[in-house]
Amino acid sequence: KAGVTQTPRYLIKTRGQQVTLSCSPISGHRSVSWYQQTPGQGLQFLFEYFSETQRNKGNFPGRFSGRQFSNSRSEMNVSTLELGDSALYLCASSVGTQEILSEQYFGPGTRLTVT
Amino acid sequence: AQSVTQLGSHVSVSEGALVLLRCNYSSSVPPYLFWYVQYPNQGLQLLLKYTTGATLVKGINGFEAEFKKSETSFHLTKPSAHMSDAAEYFCAVSYTNAGKSTFGDGTTLTVKP
Repeated sequence: KAGVTQTPRYLIKTRGQQVTLSCSPISGHRSVSWYQQTPGQGLQFLFEYFSETQRNKGNFPGRFSGRQFSNSRSEMNVSTLELGDSALYLCASSVGTQEILSEQYFGPGTRLTVT
Repeated sequence: AQSVTQLGSHVSVSEGALVLLRCNYSSSVPPYLFWYVQYPNQGLQLLLKYTTGATLVKGINGFEAEFKKSETSFHLTKPSAHMSDAAEYFCAVSYTNAGKSTFGDGTTLTVKP
């Protein structure tokens, strides 16, 4: 099976702009989660989507949003970028059903730099 | 709120020595527990997980971890370090599915020749 893919791998944006990141999960996985990783804050949970619905949400401002499509692919959007949004954004997919615990498989991440 | 503490942000061992990375969680309810490894410029790779049952869990690359409920710990060990083990290691907890996991701050493992 192909792993989790994220595009683009690297991105440079200017303050005030918006950005959209994409994640394609492993085939058959219905849950997609997004995390932000920074040296200062570590790995922080952004949100999780399951079957096109947001199932869990972290403590991030409304500038951070996401969606999931019927094929389980997910996008996250950050509007009005701030310097502090510079980070590695990781996507993870899992089977996602509540009946069994399934581990997450992570993509390589998108490195976002805001200047 | 659930939290995870990894004691020691940097651990250095000699090649062939025991690796011990510490993880404690705070919860009155036993969580699901995970250890991940991250190499530079890469995503996270699952090393092992604890859900229920046997408290000693074996993972990939010779790593294992023991769940100790009384100590709320899930320390990661490897009997003999290899140069290729140098990476950052994260402990994580979850209480439902793994879709929403809380991660520790990470421990960077350095292996000296």
